[in-house]
Amino acid sequence: SQQGEEDPQALSIQEGENATMNCSYKTSINNLQWYRQNSGRGLVHLILIRSNEREKHSGRLRVTLDTSKKSSSLLITASRAADTASYFCATEETSGSRLTFGEGTQLTVNP
Amino acid sequence: GAVVSQHPSRVICKSGTSVKIECRSLDFQATTMFWYRQFPKKSLMLMATSNEGSKATYEQGVEKDKFLINHASLTLSTLTVTSAHPEDSSFYICSARGLELTQYFGPGTRLLVL
Repeated sequence: SQQGEEDPQALSIQEGENATMNCSYKTSINNLQWYRQNSGRGLVHLILIRSNEREKHSGRLRVTLDTSKKSSSLLITASRAADTASYFCATEETSGSRLTFGEGTQLTVNP
Repeated sequence: GAVVSQHPSRVICKSGTSVKIECRSLDFQATTMFWYRQFPKKSLMLMATSNEGSKATYEQGVEKDKFLINHASLTLSTLTVTSAHPEDSSFYICSARGLELTQYFGPGTRLLVL
């Protein structure tokens, strides 16, 4: 079963606004990763945050990780219509290298 | 980032036939490759993990005789859906991992079994 749960399932915002997506998990992890998927396409790796890191930035992306709460958030600042996609978190458990994906958040950025 | 390709990108086949999907890491050596299945508007479900030169490890509920995985080299893994049926229709995605932690995903293969 998927251990990652994402919130919200769907998010619709206007261009220029910030988008925040949350992910919760259940087990101990080595790292947590965020991916983006355009409809019917493969996944694009966005950012990886290790279990000993609390925050990471990459361009307009900001990821936080709270291992005590077993949760992570992805913030996309100054969103663009091209950011419209599904966003998935995935955790790599300490027991191995397999990734467990969350259910995803469908983000729609309206121009 | 690293590039992973899949072939074919789309395949339509008749029920009962077998379909082979290739996953290649183009610019790095992939010690481990993963195969996922994704239903429409759903998340990715890991099917199996394959390490070069050894047998694949299948997730619970995935039939190894139905989904044959071969990882014969550090740049190629294949998934063969044997005796495909309409319920096997899905989006199949592979990923490859080298010495880094990051998995690089292929563009996916859409399988439609008639």
